[in-house]
Amino acid sequence: DAGITQSPRHKVTETGTPVTLRCHQTENHRYMYWYRQDPGHGLRLIHYSYGVKDTDKGEVSDGYSVSRSKTEDFLLTLESATSSQTSVYFCAISADKSGNTIYFGEGSWLTVV
Amino acid sequence: DQQVKQNSPSLSVQEGRISILNCDYTNSMFDYFLWYKKYPAEGPTFLISISSIKDKNEDGRFTVFLNKSAKHLSLHIVPSQPGDSAVYFCAASARSGGGADGLTFGKGTHLIIQP
Repeated sequence: DAGITQSPRHKVTETGTPVTLRCHQTENHRYMYWYRQDPGHGLRLIHYSYGVKDTDKGEVSDGYSVSRSKTEDFLLTLESATSSQTSVYFCAISADKSGNTIYFGEGSWLTVV
Repeated sequence: DQQVKQNSPSLSVQEGRISILNCDYTNSMFDYFLWYKKYPAEGPTFLISISSIKDKNEDGRFTVFLNKSAKHLSLHIVPSQPGDSAVYFCAASARSGGGADGLTFGKGTHLIIQP
């Protein structure tokens, strides 16, 4: 299994509060990704990183920000959580820029009430 | 617009028979295709992949077929086993495209293996 740890694994938060999800990898892979999975939508890319301090937006980036200050850590922040951000969030890593092959973490279940 | 499409949200197959999961894509730049398997409460795991220079790749009970002219790929599982019950995601990337935005996923097909 790829060395990917997501924290927290489960969180319930109130609308309007900030939330940060953390992804930690021990593989020293350059590329890291945050996806969300929702029924009927599959896996959608939120943000990705191609190196320390190098990040870019994905398909569904509105309401999210990311930071990568170290190779091993990729943080996803919801500045002001909304109910539409209730989802399962998956961190993923890859050794090459085309994402072949992406390895996923176990997921973080976020509920915004 | 969806670039990777899995038009069957679910598929039920009897144990021991063949399971065929289908995937269509629209982006002609895609040149590498993957299948991921996902159990509930777990992250997706890589299953099998195929490059656009091939039309078939086999790994044990799993075979992926690629028809580039039709922009269609399929995953065959033979024989199907109860442990194959999961959601299967088709994914694609443009390796020669230069982008770092990883894979584009379909919505998934929930495969149910009936005893």
